[in-house]
Amino acid sequence: NAGVTQTPKFQVLKTGQSMTLQCAQDMNHNSMYWYRQDPGMGLRLIYYSASEGTTDKGEVPNGYNVSRLNKREFSLRLESAAPSQTSVYFCASRDPSAPPLHFGNGTRLTVT
Amino acid sequence: GENVEQHPSTLSVQEGDSAVIKCTYSDSASNYFPWYKQELGKRPQLIIDIRSNVGEKKDQRIAVTLNKTAKHFSLHITETQPEDSAVYFCAANAGGTSYGKLTFGQGTILTVHP
Repeated sequence: NAGVTQTPKFQVLKTGQSMTLQCAQDMNHNSMYWYRQDPGMGLRLIYYSASEGTTDKGEVPNGYNVSRLNKREFSLRLESAAPSQTSVYFCASRDPSAPPLHFGNGTRLTVT
Repeated sequence: GENVEQHPSTLSVQEGDSAVIKCTYSDSASNYFPWYKQELGKRPQLIIDIRSNVGEKKDQRIAVTLNKTAKHFSLHITETQPEDSAVYFCAANAGGTSYGKLTFGQGTILTVHP
C-alpha cells in the first residue's frame, strides 16, 4: 500500500516548455487535489476532482490544466511553463467519509 | 474566499516547554480545522484536526482549541521534544462544504532546543 505516489520527484524546465505531473493513489479515494507550496505562503489549491469524471478550479488555477484519468490517477499539466510556476507541487487524496488529506511526497519543479 | 492568518511565523522554545500557535480565519461557514506538521523536504502530515461542533480536542501532548465566535483556533504542544521541530500549518475548509478544499496559513517554524 503505497498511498499517494507522485512522479517525477524533481524537474527542471525552461520557460515555455510543457510537462505533466503524475499522481496516483491506491486507497480507493474518490477525491483528489493538487496544491502548490511556495516559501512563506503555505499551500494553495490549484485544482481538485471531487470524483471520477469531475474537475474544478481551486484558488490558483491559471497556467494549469488537469485530467482525472480514472479513479486512481489525477495529472497536472503545465502547457507553457513560467518562472512563477517554480514551486513544490503536492498531490493529495481523501476518502469522502473521512476528512484528512493524504499527501504525496511532492514534485520539486524549477522553471528557468 | 477564506483567509487564514497564522502566528507566529517562527517560534523557539526549550525542550520541555510548551508551544502555542494561533490561527484566525475569515469564513464563518468553515467547519473543519486541521493542523499539519511538515519536516524539511517531506510531505505535510496531519497531526490533529477539529470540527466546529467541538471546542477542544487532545491527543497525548497535542491539543487544539476552537473559538467559533471569535473565528480563531490554536495548537498547543506540551512537553516539547527536539523531534517536534518542524513547520506547522493550520488550515480551514473554504465554504464549509468540502473537507479537502483547504486554505492554509503561512506556517510556523518551530525549533525546540535540547
